[in-house]
Amino acid sequence: SAVISQKPSRDICQRGTSLTIQCQVDSQVTMMFWYRQQPGQSLTLIATANQGSEATYESGFVIDKFPISRPNLTFSTLTVSNMSPEDSSIYLCSVAQGGHTIYFGEGSWLTVV
Amino acid sequence: LAKTTQPISMDSYEGQEVNITCSHNNIATNDYITWYQQFPSQGPRFIIQGYKTKVTNEVASLFIPADRKSSTLSLPRVSLSDTAVYYCLVGDWDTGGFKTIFGAGTRLFVKA
Repeated sequence: SAVISQKPSRDICQRGTSLTIQCQVDSQVTMMFWYRQQPGQSLTLIATANQGSEATYESGFVIDKFPISRPNLTFSTLTVSNMSPEDSSIYLCSVAQGGHTIYFGEGSWLTVV
Repeated sequence: LAKTTQPISMDSYEGQEVNITCSHNNIATNDYITWYQQFPSQGPRFIIQGYKTKVTNEVASLFIPADRKSSTLSLPRVSLSDTAVYYCLVGDWDTGGFKTIFGAGTRLFVKA
């Protein structure tokens, strides 16, 4: 499976600020996704990061709040904008590989104070 | 998208076999069933995937009945380090992309 690296792994942020999370994959992948996992909860898909075009967002998530870039087939970024304590979550990058399987990075744990 | 239902939590003892069942009554023809393990503050780790019947790898077995409306993850001889949350995931590609939905997960506690 692909090796997925995320940065930062953990951060404490001030409310009102923005933070960009980077996701680097060690091989070219067609599909990259961003998930959010709030404390004690399951995973929720934020968006699909499309290479060379705008991301496809799921219901309840908007580009102004979670802008995503996907400049090539191995890299993507997710920005969490104008953060509030409700944005404190683990943000996970994932990739589709092998036809039917998605793999996850280790996640970026954000705490907003 | 097929919704999944799992037990919220399960307890076991070291050395026992653990079976976790997931219900997915509305599974689509193209959907695959995948199980993940997640430890606190880590990303989900792929365990096993199947489409029908039985799949076995070095860490687990996955049993899928003919109607595919449920699946059972079997962990042989669990140890304390198997204490984690286990997620059943149903999904596959469709015209809108790769569509999946995570259930609430099952918290497995393995006791000494």
